Amino acid sequence: GQNIDQPTEMTATEGAIVQINCTYQTSGFNGLFWYQQHAGEAPTFLSYNVLDGLEEKGRFSSFLSRSKGYSYLLLKELQMKDSASYLCAVRDQAGTALIFGKGTTLSVSS
Amino acid sequence: EPEVTQTPSHQVTQMGQEVILRCVPISNHLYFYWYRQILGQKVEFLVSFYNNEISEKSEIFDDQFSVERPDGSNFTLKIRSTKLEDSAMYFCASESTGEANEQFFGPGTRLTVL
Repeated sequence: GQNIDQPTEMTATEGAIVQINCTYQTSGFNGLFWYQQHAGEAPTFLSYNVLDGLEEKGRFSSFLSRSKGYSYLLLKELQMKDSASYLCAVRDQAGTALIFGKGTTLSVSS
Repeated sequence: EPEVTQTPSHQVTQMGQEVILRCVPISNHLYFYWYRQILGQKVEFLVSFYNNEISEKSEIFDDQFSVERPDGSNFTLKIRSTKLEDSAMYFCASESTGEANEQFFGPGTRLTVL
């Protein structure tokens, strides 16, 4: 079966660093995606990993270990606007749909 | 920057009625998807479309659902006889190739079935 797990909620303070973990079990693997979703809005793309290692993009980084079925999203220098849901999604084959986790709701306080 | 557009932004309908949700994917993209998200729940895949035919569908996508690409730009999702449990946000997404590193999501259509 397909299963993606991530924590339901996390809290952090402005300026801090937060790591959101995601573990997955899928029949195949063709990439892991992180999306940000503000309430009532569409998911917006943050990062993509298909090979093991760290991908850095500004304040956001994403790490993948395929052997462990594990990824994390690292957010640095947190800002209030980073309060949102962070969705981990896996594609098991090329040209197929994304399988989403339930999302992690991050609350950033001052 | 090119974007996926969807209309309407909000649709209210009576149970049993037909609805058509419309999407205009990014123009040079080849793969198209519909997802839905019931309030408070995760994003769920409905159907994918490539080369003018359905390439994959989920268990949710039963006989009440259909998709069409009637011309070179629009991509529609039809629900023939809506049920209360069809109330959700429906997102269209497109992707340039099957190996692309991003699926671009439209802003969504909020469907409310009364």
